[in-house]
Amino acid sequence: RKEVEQDPGPFNVPEGATVAFNCTYSNSASQSFFWYRQDCRKEPKLLMSVYSSGNEDGRFTAQLNRASQYISLLIRDSKLSDSATYLCVVRKGGATNKLIFGTGTLLAVQP
Amino acid sequence: EAGVTQFPSHSVIEKGQTVTLRCDPISGHDNLYWYRRVMGKEIKFLLHFVKESKQDESGMPNNRFLAERTGGTYSTLKVQPAELEDSGVYFCASQGGNYGYTFGSGTRLTVV
Repeated sequence: RKEVEQDPGPFNVPEGATVAFNCTYSNSASQSFFWYRQDCRKEPKLLMSVYSSGNEDGRFTAQLNRASQYISLLIRDSKLSDSATYLCVVRKGGATNKLIFGTGTLLAVQP
Repeated sequence: EAGVTQFPSHSVIEKGQTVTLRCDPISGHDNLYWYRRVMGKEIKFLLHFVKESKQDESGMPNNRFLAERTGGTYSTLKVQPAELEDSGVYFCASQGGNYGYTFGSGTRLTVV
């Protein structure tokens, strides 16, 4: 079983739609949670950190449920430029600080 | 501020050859990480340097992979001899203090 599980998609949505991505993680000791965005043939870039209280950045809202080990990302009013792969990422913490990645969810926003 | 630089951006080598990938982190960042994405799979951790010391190399696939970070500045990842399954995109990331990761644009390695 993968440590971080995501629906690979693709999610094909029209411009202006609201789309939600979900992710689950298996290690209850995980300490930090993130959504990264990766454009085709580019490096991953941090989209936002995820907190239990929920956090919002413009059209993007992220939520963490520690009890269910579940992370979500909501994108409102989708733009063509939102088309990318969205990676759910967990950091275990401790001395190593390494990141554990999900396989990513592909979003294609259609005109 | 210059970002994380990786060289080369692409490399095509034959099975059995040696390839060396280089990563220049953001100046002053003590933490340097190598990750790899094999086609169809998730990005996976390879190893972590703190300055010149290996903090965690639990993700290194086997002893054909050798990473170094001389003087705590740039890092190299050597694959010798390369096998077909080593093909993928190798990402380097650096981190300083409480800041998040910054990834380089990656080296796309193809072993034929």
